[in-house]
Amino acid sequence: SYVLTQPPSVSVAPGQTATISCGANNIAIKSVHWYQQKPGQAPVLVVYDDTDRPSGIPERFSGSNSGNTATLTISRVEAGDEGDYYCQVWDSSSGHYVFGSGTKITV
Amino acid sequence: EVRLVESGGGLVQPGRSLRLSCEASEFTFGDYGMHWVRQAPGKGLEWVSIITWNGGGKDYADSVKGRFTVSRDNAKNSLYLQMNSLRTEDTALYHCARDGGNRAFDIWGQGTMVTVSS
Repeated sequence: SYVLTQPPSVSVAPGQTATISCGANNIAIKSVHWYQQKPGQAPVLVVYDDTDRPSGIPERFSGSNSGNTATLTISRVEAGDEGDYYCQVWDSSSGHYVFGSGTKITV
Repeated sequence: EVRLVESGGGLVQPGRSLRLSCEASEFTFGDYGMHWVRQAPGKGLEWVSIITWNGGGKDYADSVKGRFTVSRDNAKNSLYLQMNSLRTEDTALYHCARDGGNRAFDIWGQGTMVTVSS
């Protein structure tokens, strides 16, 4: 099965930039989606199709995807950005949907 | 406001069954594929099942295949998950989620908790 690897945690100071990686074999050929989950809340889609943002998501959230790594970047990090972040793809070989293990952002 | 509301969770003994429901509002439910995604306590997200817009296509994670059945009633704007032969490892918060058309989950419900324990 297709495995997405994320770092367990990232710590960042307010106003700085946080980067979260999502690694997998040749992930560049897949569309990667990213979700933010704050404690006690449902996940929220923050980036889809590698780089696009749903309406209402701040421009501070951006994504990229190249080679074996997709990346979510959060610029000018705020305290309210704390939470867990998950990457997700559709695995064409199995037809199933795969989530990364999640990264906890601490501000 | 586009909304998904799950119900039907609870405490159930191993081997028993439970049926979850998800009611959609403020969007054309029948236009979208729908998913179930679960999250065990303190763990990450795990995709469980998908059903296409008309119910003609269904698929399941290997961990639930043969035990869980997804269905929908577009006239009632509702999604269902019939869970049979429940195991302790099925204990989780079960979310329904809308497929935005690009295999991303663009709308999520708050979830309904299922606890499997004797």
